[in-house]
Amino acid sequence: AQKITQTQPGMFVQEKEAVTLDCTYDTSDPSYGLFWYKQPSSGEMIFLIYQGSYDQQNATEGRYSLNFQKARKSANLVISASQLGDSAMYFCAMSLIGRALTFGSGTRLQVQP
Amino acid sequence: GAVVSQHPSWVICKSGTSVKIECRSLDFQATTMFWYRQFPKQSLMLMATSNEGSKATYEQGVEKDKFLINHASLTLSTLTVTSAHPEDSSFYICSAPKGQGREVYEQYFGPGTRLTVT
Repeated sequence: AQKITQTQPGMFVQEKEAVTLDCTYDTSDPSYGLFWYKQPSSGEMIFLIYQGSYDQQNATEGRYSLNFQKARKSANLVISASQLGDSAMYFCAMSLIGRALTFGSGTRLQVQP
Repeated sequence: GAVVSQHPSWVICKSGTSVKIECRSLDFQATTMFWYRQFPKQSLMLMATSNEGSKATYEQGVEKDKFLINHASLTLSTLTVTSAHPEDSSFYICSAPKGQGREVYEQYFGPGTRLTVT
């Protein structure tokens, strides 16, 4: 079974600063995908970034980067230059090929002006 | 990216009635779709896997007779909440994988349906 752990229920960050959201995972399968999603108050799940288990380099998507440390089984999300619109719930998730996502408990990020 | 729609986006129903939620993949075919439920301030929990042409697979603790899933075509899956009760009030969201290789990992989410049972 897969498990995702997010230990930060809530985080605060000042506008324009960087913030790291923690995520650890557990699986015995060698092939998997790791994701981060943003969920604003509207409820929609917004895809942010993806990291494959065999990818050699850390994924980056604009202001988002994923700090993938395979040996530690961690996949932390780094948001650079935070904006007020980044305030939302953030979920780390994992999937195996063709399988549903397993989500962490989420981290609520609040960006302060 | 791929587009998945859900209808309705929100619904209020009376206790004891049934509600049908549709999930459509608009620009790709999805032989598999997933249904999740999210209670307030909680994470998404997988309810069931919807398979085109075969029976859905339900997660442990999810009543298959209460949450009826029908994968009618390669672009449509429906979730029917039968004899709804207030405790079924939740945010229901579907997703579908698309593509081959790396893309198989990724899920495309519908916008969700907020169900309130009075």
